[in-house]
Amino acid sequence: DTGVSQDPRHKITKRGQNVTFRCDPISEHNRLYWYRQTLGQGPEFLTYFQNEAQLEKSRLLSDRFSAERPKGSFSTLEIQRTEQGDSAMYLCASSSPLAGVTGELFFGEGSRLTVL
Amino acid sequence: GQSLEQPSEVTAVEGAIVQINCTYQTSGFYGLSWYQQHDGGAPTFLSYNALDGLEETGRFSSFLSRSDSYGYLLLQELQMKDSASYFCAVRDLEAAGNKLTFGGGTRVLVKP
Repeated sequence: DTGVSQDPRHKITKRGQNVTFRCDPISEHNRLYWYRQTLGQGPEFLTYFQNEAQLEKSRLLSDRFSAERPKGSFSTLEIQRTEQGDSAMYLCASSSPLAGVTGELFFGEGSRLTVL
Repeated sequence: GQSLEQPSEVTAVEGAIVQINCTYQTSGFYGLSWYQQHDGGAPTFLSYNALDGLEETGRFSSFLSRSDSYGYLLLQELQMKDSASYFCAVRDLEAAGNKLTFGGGTRVLVKP
């Protein structure tokens, strides 16, 4: 399978704990995005990487959230001191330079976080 | 900032035609995309309009009017497997890369 993969698919944690999600994009894609989605809503943009550079961060991304893409391949999203409001599906997407023409993002299945 | 409006839910029978409208406000428009998401699944790309007019891809078509800040997704010959949520999303000129801003989604329920 050469699609976008995310790990873990499900994470249950207690409030105050730290969690980390990993995303492996499609190998030739240089652009990587993190989105958050809650039930019945559309995905909300969190942050964007081009290669290893983090080029944009949403105001939704508080200082408890940090994302990295150290070698321009996989990315991690860490949430520190989790709160119940962080419970959501965290989606990763990637795109190729051709997406400028096609407008297409390729999404992973997501990592569902439940904070108790 | 950007905002998008689309109906929250549509119900139709198999074989019918459904049109999902999307109106948007954005500071600098680049293109309108449509995505399908089944329950528990990943959003998957359906279509993209950067210019005015109709784009047809099989049973699905998408339309854009830049002057009206409006687009729609047309689902024809509805099948049970089309039951899903459909999201419109805008890409604006100020956005880095291909960052998309999504609408709240339209849940389509197809009945036998």
